[in-house]
Amino acid sequence: AQKVTQAQTEISVVEKEDVTLDCVYETRDTTYYLFWYKQPPSGELVFLIRRNSFDEQNEISGRYSWNFQKSTSSFNFTITASQVVDSAVYFCASMDSNYQLIWGAGTKLIIKP
Amino acid sequence: EAGVTQSPTHLIKTRGQQATLRCSPISGHTSVYWYQQALGLGLQFLLWYDEGEERNRGNFPPRFSGRQFPNYSSELNVNALELEDSALYLCASSTGSTLAKNIQYFGAGTRLSVL
Repeated sequence: AQKVTQAQTEISVVEKEDVTLDCVYETRDTTYYLFWYKQPPSGELVFLIRRNSFDEQNEISGRYSWNFQKSTSSFNFTITASQVVDSAVYFCASMDSNYQLIWGAGTKLIIKP
Repeated sequence: EAGVTQSPTHLIKTRGQQATLRCSPISGHTSVYWYQQALGLGLQFLLWYDEGEERNRGNFPPRFSGRQFPNYSSELNVNALELEDSALYLCASSTGSTLAKNIQYFGAGTRLSVL
């Protein structure tokens, strides 16, 4: 069975600081699929990125970047120059062979002005 | 393009009653997924429908059921409501793509409160 661990329950930083959210996954599959979602106070889960285990490069999208490390089974998410609008709960997830998303517990990110 | 829409936004029921939650997927999406987000339990997979058929079911009792209509919209029914059914119910949709390309897009959810 797959498992996703987000050990950081809550992180609080001051605006413009960089912040990294950790995600550790467990799977016996040789091919696997990882995701990050953002959940603002409105409740809607917003898709940020998906990563297949066989993808070659790490992703960067503006202030967001993701670091996939097979050696440590991690898929960490970094926000550079954080902004108040980045405040939300962030979820890491993996998808099993039945298209079911297996979720981490989420990390609540608070960006203070 | 409209996203995934869910109704109602909030639903208040009493123990033992039945609740019906509705979901309209993004146009062109044939798969609908339901998840429960309960306090202390996190996000848990409930059901997956594709092309009108139930494809997968999470670890929930049979009083949680649903269906998908020919227009791909979906309904989640919860019978004999219990207090612990109080949660945010999230619906997602995706195209019928392979695992390597599947992305589930979510609606804003229905908050069910059981009194």
